[in-house]
Amino acid sequence: SQQGEEDPQALSIQEGENATMNCSYKTSINNLQWYRQNSGRGLVHLILIRSNEREKHSGRLRVTLDTSKKSSSLLITASRAADTASYFCAAGGGNKLTFGTGTQLKVEL
Amino acid sequence: DAGITQSPRYKITETGRQVTLMCHQTWSHSYMFWYRQDLGHGLRLIYYSAAADITDKGEVPDGYVVSRSKTENFPLTLESATRSQTSVYFCASSVQGAGYTFGSGTRLTVV
Repeated sequence: SQQGEEDPQALSIQEGENATMNCSYKTSINNLQWYRQNSGRGLVHLILIRSNEREKHSGRLRVTLDTSKKSSSLLITASRAADTASYFCAAGGGNKLTFGTGTQLKVEL
Repeated sequence: DAGITQSPRYKITETGRQVTLMCHQTWSHSYMFWYRQDLGHGLRLIYYSAAADITDKGEVPDGYVVSRSKTENFPLTLESATRSQTSVYFCASSVQGAGYTFGSGTRLTVV
């Protein structure tokens, strides 16, 4: 079973717009991470937020975490065509991560 | 070159054959992982290792064997390949509590 579940499954926006992806998980976590995967490539780590943090920023990325609702969101501001990829959340419990099925983001010119 | 490398990049094998996928990392990360990625299932953990000679099962370990005699290597063996093991396999490494670094993947087709 998947610990992390992303919503929506697919998202199409115009360049310059913001993209928001949500993630829900089931059990207690130590941290929650977001990854990007370009077609045919390996996953790339974007950001990690610990269970005692509520918000974290990295460049154009903003991640929030609500442990009471067991949910997280990833906001990409001022999106670019190069942001087109699949985005995965991964819930960290102990020493391993459980990944969701991902959100496919398409940023159109 | 520093990093995490997987080999082969592509592999076609026949049902019943033994196949070994290689994974090598140069950071001396203590943790290493094997995932498989299939449409509709996302990434599922097969096996992981916390250190040399310490391995543990993940979500979908049946039909797979791992070993870790050296910190930098974590091979994954399919003892008798089945069509259901056709997938993209990713190796990853990390230090405790940090993000994972993934390899480029091995696309395995079992015919």
